[in-house]
Amino acid sequence: DGGITQSPKYLFRKEGQNVTLSCEQNLNHDAMYWYRQDPGQGLRLIYYSQIVNDFQKGDIAEGYSVSREKKESFPLTVTSAQKNPTAFYLCASSEDETQYFGPGTRLLVL
Amino acid sequence: GQQVMQIPQYQHVQEGEDFTTYCNSSTTLSNIQWYKQRPGGHPVFLIQLVKSGEVKKQKRLTFQFGEAKKNSSLHITATQTTDVGTYFCAGSSNDYKLSFGAGTTVTVRA
Repeated sequence: DGGITQSPKYLFRKEGQNVTLSCEQNLNHDAMYWYRQDPGQGLRLIYYSQIVNDFQKGDIAEGYSVSREKKESFPLTVTSAQKNPTAFYLCASSEDETQYFGPGTRLLVL
Repeated sequence: GQQVMQIPQYQHVQEGEDFTTYCNSSTTLSNIQWYKQRPGGHPVFLIQLVKSGEVKKQKRLTFQFGEAKKNSSLHITATQTTDVGTYFCAGSSNDYKLSFGAGTTVTVRA
């Protein structure tokens, strides 16, 4: 059963805490992406990676960090520097520019 | 940077009626993609348009790419309750990144 998995489905963050969102894919795609979705807005690109051990900042990278040590995995860390982290986070992978999305993680701040 | 504008933001449709959502880019695109996100779900790829003036159909959905490759439209005929959701256009300029519009959220009155 191929696809993209994200965990957890819901995540709660305390003030000043770093949290990491997981994204795993078994589609053998080279490119992976992280987006943030806020109500009434489209998807905004946080980070993307076209190949293992390489990644680039997207439009709203401040307060976030990523790693790409394995082709299958692209975890996103929401750091304490991100002052407004409450959002729906979507991970995607792509082949030929078509993007396949995971089910998303909803991050809430306590 | 590249910006993709999408209108209308909301579309309330009587079941059986037609409607159109429009997408405009500030720059020329290499291709445009359309995605659908059901309430509580994640975006799912619908179609990609590449050629100037291209028109593609998927059952009751008709997608069009403008001659200048800067705009696109999605027309749905005989709207059904299964059409409920948010439709996003996303433009690409050959750099492995997509710029998403804010989406058109469709609700259907039975």
